[in-house]
Amino acid sequence: GDSVTQMEGPVTLSEEAFLTINCTYTATGYPSLFWYVQYPGEGLQLLLKATKADDKGSNKGFEATYRKETTSFHLEKGSVQVSDSAVYFCALMGGSNYKLTFGKGTLLTVNP
Amino acid sequence: NAGVTQTPKFRILKIGQSMTLQCTQDMNHNYMYWYRQDPGMGLKLIYYSVGAGITDKGEVPNGYNVSRSTTEDFPLRLELAAPSQTSVYFCASSDATSGITYNEQFFGPGTRLTVL
Repeated sequence: GDSVTQMEGPVTLSEEAFLTINCTYTATGYPSLFWYVQYPGEGLQLLLKATKADDKGSNKGFEATYRKETTSFHLEKGSVQVSDSAVYFCALMGGSNYKLTFGKGTLLTVNP
Repeated sequence: NAGVTQTPKFRILKIGQSMTLQCTQDMNHNYMYWYRQDPGMGLKLIYYSVGAGITDKGEVPNGYNVSRSTTEDFPLRLELAAPSQTSVYFCASSDATSGITYNEQFFGPGTRLTVL
């Protein structure tokens, strides 16, 4: 079945540092890929998405590129802020158009 | 436009008690979902619904029941609470229009449930 493996946390960075959170997936066919973010005490929000190979999703300075050859969708940001502190989830939507498969989440803490 | 709302925010139950977690969305979405989030385990799908009157099991349905009598509401019922059901529960909805390749799911703020 479908699965998502993402970098274990927690990740602690200083403000303005470079961020990478690794995500790899296993799926049949051509899944759509997502990064969701969960701020403390809140539900998940869609951060960015990519629906086909070589697509780059971007939002709020975050980027991720759909790499079919390496089955990866790594999240990057060039300069993190304290306000980026949250849990980040990588997810895929496989053959159906409704079922999301989530990774376990990566807690990011950014210190001033 | 409130999006997806959930009540209550927190609840403590004793073993064997029952309760209903409420979920309402005002976006006229046809699909709705219930997830549970356990520490370090990501989200697991409990039940989902593709429209009023239609529900189906997800990955972890045991111990739960759902109904969908209206487009807006999708309550989750726990009949005999067990400590293994201690978790954070999220409701979500999406507009799964036929023919598009993905559907963004919009999440509620969650209900933190503890069973003692």
